[in-house]
Amino acid sequence: GENVEQHPSTLSVQEGDSAVIKCTYSDSASNYFPWYKQELGKRPQLIIDIRSNVGEKKDQRIAVTLNKTAKHFSLHITETQPEDSAVYFCAANMDEKLTFGTGTRLTIIP
Amino acid sequence: DGGITQSPKYLFRKEGQNVTLSCEQNLNHDAMYWYRQDPGQGLRLIYYSQIVNDFQKGDIAEGYSVSREKKESFPLTVTSAQKNPTAFYLCASSITRGEEDEQFFGPGTRLTVL
Repeated sequence: GENVEQHPSTLSVQEGDSAVIKCTYSDSASNYFPWYKQELGKRPQLIIDIRSNVGEKKDQRIAVTLNKTAKHFSLHITETQPEDSAVYFCAANMDEKLTFGTGTRLTIIP
Repeated sequence: DGGITQSPKYLFRKEGQNVTLSCEQNLNHDAMYWYRQDPGQGLRLIYYSQIVNDFQKGDIAEGYSVSREKKESFPLTVTSAQKNPTAFYLCASSITRGEEDEQFFGPGTRLTVL
């Protein structure tokens, strides 16, 4: 079936370094790709999203890139800080609903 | 995100019992969703509703039921037919079609079957 694969499942990064999380999707008709951040014990919150008419979007230290030909998109976090530690989920729209990846647990090492 | 609430925060159920999880929003959103979150499996869609008195099955609807009698409310019933109901349940809402726009999540309900 249609799905979204997300890698890696866990990622540890030294504070100040960059982190990259990658997702691939199967439905070529997908045109909306959000990223959600879930801190420990809290609800998921949207941090950035991208639509298929653009290839890259930035918001301060975070950016998302999209390659529609290859059907993959990535989250980039630069100058990582302790508060970036969380679980990150990518998603893609398929069949009138969002399909989420399995999540990446990001740990920032002080 | 303070406009969407779930209750209770924790719920314990004996095997064979039905339980209902509450989800309310005062954001005037048309669409509402129920997800199940298990470790290592991300968020899986149970049911969704894009308008009052209408709802659709998601990817894992078996053993669950919903209703959407009011725009503000989208309760989820976990029936005894759900074989492995212990999980974290998240409700979400969006202004219109949530597959094209931001979904706002509630704080979640953790259900444990004893």
